[in-house]
Amino acid sequence: QKEVEQDPGPLSVPEGAIVSLNCTYSNSAFQYFMWYRQYSRKGPELLMYTYSSGNKEDGRFTAQVDKSSKYISLFIRDSQPSDSATYLCAMRPLGGSEKLVFGKGTKLTVNP
Amino acid sequence: ETGVTQSPTHLIKTRGQQVTLRCSSQSGHNTVSWYQQALGQGPQFIFQYYREEENGRGNFPPRFSGLQFPNYSSELNVNALELDDSALYLCASSSDSYGYTFGSGTRLTVV
Repeated sequence: QKEVEQDPGPLSVPEGAIVSLNCTYSNSAFQYFMWYRQYSRKGPELLMYTYSSGNKEDGRFTAQVDKSSKYISLFIRDSQPSDSATYLCAMRPLGGSEKLVFGKGTKLTVNP
Repeated sequence: ETGVTQSPTHLIKTRGQQVTLRCSSQSGHNTVSWYQQALGQGPQFIFQYYREEENGRGNFPPRFSGLQFPNYSSELNVNALELDDSALYLCASSSDSYGYTFGSGTRLTVV
């Protein structure tokens, strides 16, 4: 079993839709949870960062962490064509080498 | 802040050759990590350097090696290249535990 599983999609939605992206994980030591956005031919860009369980909101983006279920989500409200990219979940334990473990990524296309 | 810059952007090498990839960390960042991203996959951790010392290594063979310099720039060296080494190589720097800034990567093709 992989440490982090991410439904690879791809996902295609109309402009203005609410998008839900999800990851599950198996390592209960993970404490830091991140979502990255990666445009084609670019490096990943940090979108959201959460520590432990709970919700965090930043504009149109909301990140949720449920440690009891080992499940994290990213919601995008009022999606825009500029949101079209690959979204990667990443996580790491407290301490150690700060190695990030990534999901496979979900490619999102928002159609005008 | 100038961000993380990587060079070269693209590279084609022959199987068995050696390659060096370079990374200039974001100003003030003393930790640098390297990741390999195969097509359609998430990045895989290769290793991390903190103040010029290796501070963790992923499941990569010893022919993957690295250096971090006093100015916190870094190199990734790969010896005896194999076809499966073809990937996007990403450098990421950070100054604390809060997030990492990634460069745009070097696309390596091994033929």
